[in-house]
Amino acid sequence: EVQLLESGGGLTQPGGSLRLSCAASGFTFTAYAMSWVRQAPGKGLEPVSVISASGVTTHYADSVKGRFTMSRDNSKNIVYLQMNSLRGEDSAIYYCAKDTHMWPPDAFDSWGQGTMVTVSS
Amino acid sequence: EIELTQSPGTLSLSPGERATLSCRASQSVSSIYLAWYQQKPGQAPRLLIYGASSRATGIPDRFSGSGSGTDFTLTISRLEPEDFAVYYCQQYSNSPLFTFGPGTKVDIK
Repeated sequence: EVQLLESGGGLTQPGGSLRLSCAASGFTFTAYAMSWVRQAPGKGLEPVSVISASGVTTHYADSVKGRFTMSRDNSKNIVYLQMNSLRGEDSAIYYCAKDTHMWPPDAFDSWGQGTMVTVSS
Repeated sequence: EIELTQSPGTLSLSPGERATLSCRASQSVSSIYLAWYQQKPGQAPRLLIYGASSRATGIPDRFSGSGSGTDFTLTISRLEPEDFAVYYCQQYSNSPLFTFGPGTKVDIK
């Protein structure tokens, strides 16, 4: 059974940093691209970033480019999202999602339960 | 960037009725790169349809997808109580970063 377990969310002040983790199990981690998708309270789904199966290629939404960095450790089956210079509009539930392909990105067939990030003074 | 619009914003129906949800793209999307998700309150999204018309694993056959070019449709043939939720379309034709539509809420009439 595929499992994705996010952690690392919490409350931080504007300008602060957080690092999210997503621990994956139940599938061949090195064979699939992974993504982060966020959802502000009461709002729709917003793509954040995607990383190829190898970890060589990453892409970001314009809203987070230059502030967020996605990475993966294929020896530990974990993906990360380092979030710097956080803003109020970054407040959301952050979901880790497993792609159906190695690359390019495709549909997401498994999702974690999400971790909440709140940016507020 | 390809933008997706979904209509209607809310669809009020009764159990047993047929639901037809629309997703329109701002430019042509290869049909193999169009997906639909269901999201219930407090839960993560769940993949229903990929490649515009292929059901994901474990998805009941009352869910079907169709369409091509810029117009796509998700149909629920007979609504079950557990189908009342928000539905999102997603395109990944304009890789590398995908986009989602704003969602259609299907609620009980």
